[in-house]
Amino acid sequence: QVQLVQSGSELKKPGASVKVSCKASGYTFTNYAMNWVRQAPGQGLEWLGWINTDTGNPTYAQGFAGRFVFSLATSVSTAYLQISSLKAEDTAVYYCARETNTLPFDYWGQGTLVTVSS
Amino acid sequence: SYELTQPPSVSVSPGQTARITCSGDALPKKYAYWYQQRSGQAPVLVIYDDSKRPSGIPERFSGSSSGTMATLTISGAQVEDEADYYCYSTDSSGNHRVFGGGTKLTVL
Repeated sequence: QVQLVQSGSELKKPGASVKVSCKASGYTFTNYAMNWVRQAPGQGLEWLGWINTDTGNPTYAQGFAGRFVFSLATSVSTAYLQISSLKAEDTAVYYCARETNTLPFDYWGQGTLVTVSS
Repeated sequence: SYELTQPPSVSVSPGQTARITCSGDALPKKYAYWYQQRSGQAPVLVIYDDSKRPSGIPERFSGSSSGTMATLTISGAQVEDEADYYCYSTDSSGNHRVFGGGTKLTVL
């Protein structure tokens, strides 16, 4: 069965960096794009962008290019989200979500809480 | 930037029909998708391509779209349907993907 398993919660200070992992299983990793979505406490879902798992080419939503970087380790079927120069407003649950040719976000990871606090 | 607009909250009694709307200028050309998010859990896809239901989603969930508005309908809502519901779509170019602000469905 398809599973996306994300890394555990992180507590970081402002200005630091964090790297969230999303390990896929139950399907051919490079056949499906991977998206990243975040949800600030008590707020709605916000799409951050996606990465082509076959070519490694990332696409970032408006406002998220620069400090947010998507990457892959295809040998271990894992996608990564790295956020640099963390700010308090980056505090959120970050989700990875698989995308097919016809279905956006058909499977989701369990979410990773990133807390940015001094 | 492109936006999808949803009502913040909808409330129904068990067994009643709940309707959640989502408006966006590109919806006449682009599909709407609906996600259910129960408290503390990851979202789950409940409707895709405006009106199709993934396997495992109860038949009481249905979707429709007309003009600039898409609608998620839950016929005979049950207590376990209480959740936040998000619509999702893209702008007319397909480059900007957005979620609606979410609607909190209360069933009591």
